[in-house]
Amino acid sequence: DTAVSQTPKYLVTQMGNDKSIKCEQNLGHDTMYWYKQDSKKFLKIMFSYNNKELIINETVPNRFSPKSPDKAHLNLHINSLELGDSAVYFCASSRGRNQPQHFGDGTRLSIL
Amino acid sequence: GDSVTQMEGPVTLSEEAFLTINCTYTATGYPSLFWYVQYPGEGLQLLLKATKADDKGSNKGFEATYRKETTSFHLEKGSVQVSDSAVYFCALSDPGQGGSEKLVFGKGTKLTVNP
Repeated sequence: DTAVSQTPKYLVTQMGNDKSIKCEQNLGHDTMYWYKQDSKKFLKIMFSYNNKELIINETVPNRFSPKSPDKAHLNLHINSLELGDSAVYFCASSRGRNQPQHFGDGTRLSIL
Repeated sequence: GDSVTQMEGPVTLSEEAFLTINCTYTATGYPSLFWYVQYPGEGLQLLLKATKADDKGSNKGFEATYRKETTSFHLEKGSVQVSDSAVYFCALSDPGQGGSEKLVFGKGTKLTVNP
């Protein structure tokens, strides 16, 4: 029973393309997140949604657009991909403040 | 803003050795503190947490105590195993709006345990 699942696991594409990463959680959590992990393993928050409403948007280029059709899903769409977008993107969910966040296995995005 | 500093890796130990990974934080409020572990090719898993000063989190033989006076949350294990080889992240919660919060992570410490 996968709690937080992301698809695809690997994404290889060319500069300038548009791509989406999907995330679903079956934990009944109200809050979902996207994090970016760079090549040095550094993790940084990108977005947070609470009950389909955008709560946190950390200085992320507007080429990145999250979409939450319902509270169990938070997808990430990226326009005009750039070399610097190569990273591992993690989706996470939690019940709320001071509660642990549960992470998906990550999507490794490689830009050629 | 809030930040987490953890010891640079990589750390290489022999099986059954004692492990300490240092973590200190700066925060304006009273954050909760976490240790997450990332095994190769996998996502992050919560290892342990502490929500207030002097709390001790523990799991799988790992421990960390929330020390407000030294703003620290050092991870320790008395006897490491090869299966503990992973990257360890110290993190604090930064409360946001609307019941949500973000995690602020340290840079991670890679641990390799040799047989």
